[in-house]
Amino acid sequence: AQKITQTQPGMFVQEKEAVTLDCTYDTSDQSYGLFWYKQPSSGEMIFLIYQGSYDEQNATEGRYSLNFQKARKSANLVISASQLGDSAMYFCAMREGRLQGGSEKLVFGKGTKLTVNP
Amino acid sequence: DTEVTQTPKHLVMGMTNKKSLKCEQHMGHRAMYWYKQKAKKPPELMFVYSYEKLSINESVPSRFSPECPNSSLLNLHLHALQPEDSALYLCASSQSARLGYEQYFGPGTRLTVT
Repeated sequence: AQKITQTQPGMFVQEKEAVTLDCTYDTSDQSYGLFWYKQPSSGEMIFLIYQGSYDEQNATEGRYSLNFQKARKSANLVISASQLGDSAMYFCAMREGRLQGGSEKLVFGKGTKLTVNP
Repeated sequence: DTEVTQTPKHLVMGMTNKKSLKCEQHMGHRAMYWYKQKAKKPPELMFVYSYEKLSINESVPSRFSPECPNSSLLNLHLHALQPEDSALYLCASSQSARLGYEQYFGPGTRLTVT
């Protein structure tokens, strides 16, 4: 069984500073991937970044980067130069098992609520 | 166009009503998903249509019934719901249901069952 853990229920950061959101996972699979999503108060889930287990480089996407430490089974999201609009819930997710019918299932961690202060 | 649309935005229904939630994408994606999200919880996957073949989360009660009329449209039919079914229902799509493809989500339908 796989498991996603986000240990920080809430984080605060000053505008323009960097912040790291933690995510650890547990899997016995050799091939897997980690996703990060952002959910503002409006409710829509926004895809931020993806890291595959065989990717040699840490994923980066604009101000988002992933600190992927495979041996530690951690995939922390780093947001650089925080903006007020970054205030939201952030979910780490990975594929876990299959549904009846065969499709893979994306499972989310409990999330971290990030608040960016002016 | 990376948009997934959902209607209605809000829905209030009684326990004896029948209603449907609708979702549409025009990205040519071949996988579409329904998620349920309770307040302060992560989304939970309910159903997946991959190339119009259905996969089911066995924990979802039969009062929820998905339908995929074509690869761009996804419906969720609701019948005899309970107050605990009140939640945000999110639709998503992806290029493929396989590992590595990100899902694009719609804005959700906030459902209240009275």
